[in-house]
Amino acid sequence: KQEVTQIPAALSVPEGENLVLNCSFTDSAIYNLQWFRQDPGKGLTSLLLIQSSQREQTSGRLNASLDKSSGRSTLYIAASQPGDSATYLCASYTGGFKTIFGAGTRLFVKA
Amino acid sequence: EAQVTQNPRYLITVTGKKLTVTCSQNMNHEYMSWYRQDPGLGLRQIYYSMNVEVTDKGDVPEGYKVSRKEKRNFPLILESPSPNQTSLYFCASSYGGRETQYFGPGTRLLVL
Repeated sequence: KQEVTQIPAALSVPEGENLVLNCSFTDSAIYNLQWFRQDPGKGLTSLLLIQSSQREQTSGRLNASLDKSSGRSTLYIAASQPGDSATYLCASYTGGFKTIFGAGTRLFVKA
Repeated sequence: EAQVTQNPRYLITVTGKKLTVTCSQNMNHEYMSWYRQDPGLGLRQIYYSMNVEVTDKGDVPEGYKVSRKEKRNFPLILESPSPNQTSLYFCASSYGGRETQYFGPGTRLLVL
């Protein structure tokens, strides 16, 4: 059974710092992996989807990578801003069309 | 505007009183899914549907029912709610089961 782990559970950084959020999964036979952002009390907003045939995806200051062999994905945020403060979730799409989420990393960017 | 809508957004009920949370999408997506989110546990999938009349269990289906009679709608039914079903519920949809999922705003349920 696929398990998805996100470490750390919480992270506080000063504004302007580059940072990396980690997502680990146990079953390397995933199809795709998606990163989401969730603001307090809100729904999820899609950030990036990485297909299994890709190694990375970029959108603005965000870059997500996928290494199936090691069971890892990372979300790189460049030049962090206070507006980036949110919880970041990764989700793996596996066989059988199930979606497995990590518990998330709560990010706080200090001005 | 492309969106996933859920109703109601907030609901307080009592144990055993049947309730339905509606979910609708206007993007002609084939895949729809329900999740619950609990502190420290993240999002867990309850049920999903690949198309009309095709549904399957996620990781936590006990105590829930779903139906998919129309492509755009995917209601979540709690026939006899219990306090352990107090949670934040999200509906989501996508073109296929492994594509970008779009989420609704959530329904906060309290079962007394």
